Amino acid sequence: GAGVSQSPSNKVTEKGKDVELRCDPISGHTALYWYRQSLGQGLEFLIYFQGNSAPDKSGLPSDRFSAERTGGSVSTLTIQRTQQEDSAVYLCASSLAFGFLQPQHFGDGTRLSIL
Amino acid sequence: AQSVTQLDSHVSVSEGTPVLLRCNYSSSYSPSLFWYVQHPNKGLQLLLKYTSAATLVKGINGFEAEFKKSETSFHLTKPSAHMSDAAEYFCVDYSGGGADGLTFGKGTHLIIQP
Repeated sequence: GAGVSQSPSNKVTEKGKDVELRCDPISGHTALYWYRQSLGQGLEFLIYFQGNSAPDKSGLPSDRFSAERTGGSVSTLTIQRTQQEDSAVYLCASSLAFGFLQPQHFGDGTRLSIL
Repeated sequence: AQSVTQLDSHVSVSEGTPVLLRCNYSSSYSPSLFWYVQHPNKGLQLLLKYTSAATLVKGINGFEAEFKKSETSFHLTKPSAHMSDAAEYFCVDYSGGGADGLTFGKGTHLIIQP
């Protein structure tokens, strides 16, 4: 497709389980961004990739969160030992070039619910 | 620390009437300001952005915003609301310095009455 694709669209899991969220950016977009949207915190920036590199991981909420990007394309956000406060919508965006002034194209998000 | 304040959590207007969504920023440096729209169960879509060029910025779907430095404001307007405008709107400030310079407003939920 032409847009950013995220999967799954919805995920319900039990506390303590690991989850993996996937983002397939627009073809040719070198930059990729992950955000979290929750009722309590609003929109939060998590991490960005320039190509396959993530220079700044300080936005990740805890060491249970990790992200990788391979082949300059698909990215996965992994949450280990999920907690209820991880329940949120996780949004992915991509842009042709890196930079927060660049137009970002967003996917529809993954709705994560931790029971 | 910089902040973005969206003054109204909810705004309700009748179809065909003007829309005003208010945003104030606090950056001490020259900010770059954005408005995004989010329809239910969708990601964010860029409506418009200000990056120190013209202070009146025109965006998609008939929206525009005016940067007023003296008032530290970047309010979003539309002359005539359409039912399809019902959504959540986010004002965003980017003041440089990487991800630390990115600040999101809490959002304004726009309701369009028929």
